[in-house]
Amino acid sequence: QLQLQESGPALVKPSETLSLFCTVSGGPISNGNDSWAWIRQPPGKGLEWIGTIYYSGSLHYNPSLKSRLTISVDTPNNQFSLRLTSATAADTAMYYCVRHLIAADGPYNWFDPWGQGTLVTVSS
Amino acid sequence: DIQMTQSPSSLSASVGDRVTITCRASQTIKRYLNWYQRKPGKAPKLLIYAASTLQSGVPSRFSGTGSGTDFTLTISSLQPEDFASYYCQQSFNTYSFGQGTKLEI
Repeated sequence: QLQLQESGPALVKPSETLSLFCTVSGGPISNGNDSWAWIRQPPGKGLEWIGTIYYSGSLHYNPSLKSRLTISVDTPNNQFSLRLTSATAADTAMYYCVRHLIAADGPYNWFDPWGQGTLVTVSS
Repeated sequence: DIQMTQSPSSLSASVGDRVTITCRASQTIKRYLNWYQRKPGKAPKLLIYAASTLQSGVPSRFSGTGSGTDFTLTISSLQPEDFASYYCQQSFNTYSFGQGTKLEI
């Protein structure tokens, strides 16, 4: 059974880079079928999709974050990562890593499974 | 951007109740609608995808209907483990979530 686990600093200073890793266990990260994504939820606010790296290697970022965002896959370590530069208090959130599944027989797609999430606070 | 609006935002119910949560999209999303359950301290869990397809392992008391702009998640007979928050999510045009429905005793 595939499991995802987020890791990274819980506290980031304003203007610094927020970096998180997601370790995938129970299966290879590069199997030619699975895509990977990050989702976050600021305190008291809704869930926000951050971005996806598709199994093809192509990237799809939330336009509101695109200029600061990098998502990449580290196949040897079975991990994928998130880098968000120039962090501000608005980036304080629970961050989730997820597998982004696309149906084999059509364009339907969904997020499953999810990691438990990691809370990142941007503060001096 | 497609806005997703869930109602109600919170709901009090009892074990055995039939519960319905509604999700409305700001424009048509055909059947590109997924439902998730989240419990405190646990990873969110996929319940339903493509509006009505039950994810493997999810109890049959959960069901989803709808297409276009209006969707519902129904729990036919609430169990103690169902008290949680529920979120809808569209995958028709980029990805966005409803604000959530907290189901409480």
